[in-house]
Amino acid sequence: GENVEQHPSTLSVQEGDSAVIKCTYSDSASNYFPWYKQELGKGPQLIIDIRSNVGEKKDQRIAVTLNKTAKHFSLHITETQPEDSAVYFCAVPGGAGGTSYGKLTFGQGTILTVHP
Amino acid sequence: NAGVTQTPKFQVLKTGQSMTLQCAQDMNHNSMYWYRQDPGMGLRLIYYSASEGTTDKGEVPNGYNVSRLNKREFSLRLESAAPSQTSVYFCASSEQGSGGNQPQHFGDGTRLSIL
Repeated sequence: GENVEQHPSTLSVQEGDSAVIKCTYSDSASNYFPWYKQELGKGPQLIIDIRSNVGEKKDQRIAVTLNKTAKHFSLHITETQPEDSAVYFCAVPGGAGGTSYGKLTFGQGTILTVHP
Repeated sequence: NAGVTQTPKFQVLKTGQSMTLQCAQDMNHNSMYWYRQDPGMGLRLIYYSASEGTTDKGEVPNGYNVSRLNKREFSLRLESAAPSQTSVYFCASSEQGSGGNQPQHFGDGTRLSIL
């Protein structure tokens, strides 16, 4: 199955600073790289995703970069705000058991805290 | 639009009891998934259903069974609950097709404690 490593496990920044979270993966055939945000008491929510035919994608203050050669991708949040405080998960296609159809393997999560 | 709805939101069971977690989606998605979330371990796939009428094991299927009742509903059953199954359970769905992976949409979870 796919292996995903996510770092750091916790990240503390001041409001207005940038935050970067990185994930590395093992399967060079992976072609879809989503990032999810999970607020307290809620389910994960997709915030941005990228496919392997592009190297970078931006959506306002959020961006994802992909390095397929090195097999890693990163989430960048600029001008952080207190409401960005949450747990962030990366994911890649595939996983244990049966076919990989539609399945995702998630990273361990990063707890981001933005201090006012 | 409700998206993915999970019931119940909280449940406490005694060891050996059984229960079924319910999940329904109103997005007409083909694929549905059950995950468990434990501290420091991210989300781990228990079972999934690629389409109505099919189910398959994920990473941690032992102790669980599932039923894809129809296109909307996918239930998870614990036949004889064990303390190791204390966790937060999430259901998700996606419009999976020939176009490659599609985003998964999650419910808000069921928090299950087994004493």
